[in-house]
Amino acid sequence: AQSVTQLDSQVPVFEEAPVELRCNYSSSVSVYLFWYVQYPNQGLQLLLKYLSGSTLVKGINGFEAEFNKSQTSFHLRKPSVHISDTAEYFCAVSNNDMRFGAGTRLTVK
Amino acid sequence: NAGVMQNPRHLVRRRGQEARLRCSPMKGHSHVYWYRQLPEEGLKFMVYLQKENIIDESGMPKERFSAEFPKEGPSILRIQQVVRGDSAAYFCASLPTGGGTEAFFGQGTRLTVV
Repeated sequence: AQSVTQLDSQVPVFEEAPVELRCNYSSSVSVYLFWYVQYPNQGLQLLLKYLSGSTLVKGINGFEAEFNKSQTSFHLRKPSVHISDTAEYFCAVSNNDMRFGAGTRLTVK
Repeated sequence: NAGVMQNPRHLVRRRGQEARLRCSPMKGHSHVYWYRQLPEEGLKFMVYLQKENIIDESGMPKERFSAEFPKEGPSILRIQQVVRGDSAAYFCASLPTGGGTEAFFGQGTRLTVV
């Protein structure tokens, strides 16, 4: 079975600073990887996804993530955050079914 | 994603009543997931269904909770004899047949037990 671990439950950061949200997964087979964002009182939206090919994936709102197979990681990064990036971020892994991490709350001050 | 419809968006129930949450997946999708999000917490997997089959219900509480996805009609998450601790946002996600791609989420149902 596959699983996802988001290493930080909360990440506070100042506006215009860089940010990295960490995600590690475990799976015995090849998987697809996703990051979703949830703004307050809303549903989840897809931020970016890795299916195959280049290990550096660019998503919406200036976010990007890098798939590292040897470290089984898929960390999310943004070089300069805005107040509007304050939200909950979820990493997910999918093969035959989908599993989510517990989420990381990004607070931009 | 507007394609996954959940209703109602908000539901208020008194303790001991039943709550029924509905999820209509996107057209062509035959896989449905239900997740619960408690206040100030992340998403917790509850159940994974395909049409007429429960594939994985390892996240469902053993009592009072049930889910179905009939051949026709929406998926239903049913909570019997609700308690205050059931107050949460319940999200439904659907995937196309065969899985392996992104899940599309509904806007959620916010259940409040008073």
